[in-house]
Amino acid sequence: QKEVEQNSGPLSVPEGAIASLNCTYSDRGSQSFFWYRQYSGKSPELIMSIYSNGDKEDGRFTAQLNKASQYVSLLIRDSQPSDSATYLCAVNPGGSNYKLTFGKGTLLTVNP
Amino acid sequence: DADVTQTPRNRITKTGKRIMLECSQTKGHDRMYWYRQDPGLGLRLIYYSFDVKDINKGEISDGYSVSRQAQAKFSLSLESAIPNQTALYFCATKGRALESTQYFGPGTRLTVL
Repeated sequence: QKEVEQNSGPLSVPEGAIASLNCTYSDRGSQSFFWYRQYSGKSPELIMSIYSNGDKEDGRFTAQLNKASQYVSLLIRDSQPSDSATYLCAVNPGGSNYKLTFGKGTLLTVNP
Repeated sequence: DADVTQTPRNRITKTGKRIMLECSQTKGHDRMYWYRQDPGLGLRLIYYSFDVKDINKGEISDGYSVSRQAQAKFSLSLESAIPNQTALYFCATKGRALESTQYFGPGTRLTVL
């Protein structure tokens, strides 16, 4: 069973703090890694993708990938109440070009 | 206009009824997907399609069927709805490139009484 594990949370941080979201995956063949944000009752929205070891920054978001440890994380700097949502980690199992395996998501709450 | 649309957005029906959920996309993607999302269970893949003639079962296809009417249209049917099919249903599309991710429609909230 190819799995993607996330802490379900809720993760609560104060406004302006750094939120750190973590994800581990079991399939060493995975090559593409994605973070989606999902507001309650809404559809998942892609916020970051990462394919190589290291960090990738986009505005307040930084994705970090460590393939040796099978670990991918998302840092949100200067967290805002509007960042309050569930964050889904997704990976392509076995390097698949058509399927994604999703984690169950981490609920983030940013307190004003 | 939204790239991926779903109709209806909300539907309440009764046990035993046939229901069709429709998905259309203007992204020009050949890959299309149907997922359901339940609290605590995350997103689960029902069916996926590479093109009109290539349709594949996902992890939870029992009780569902699909039709790919055109590259841009992918419908999900519940032949005889049951209460445990109450869920949020999402359609998604994906391009061919390995780095391409999946883009989701707005979702259909289905309630089976």
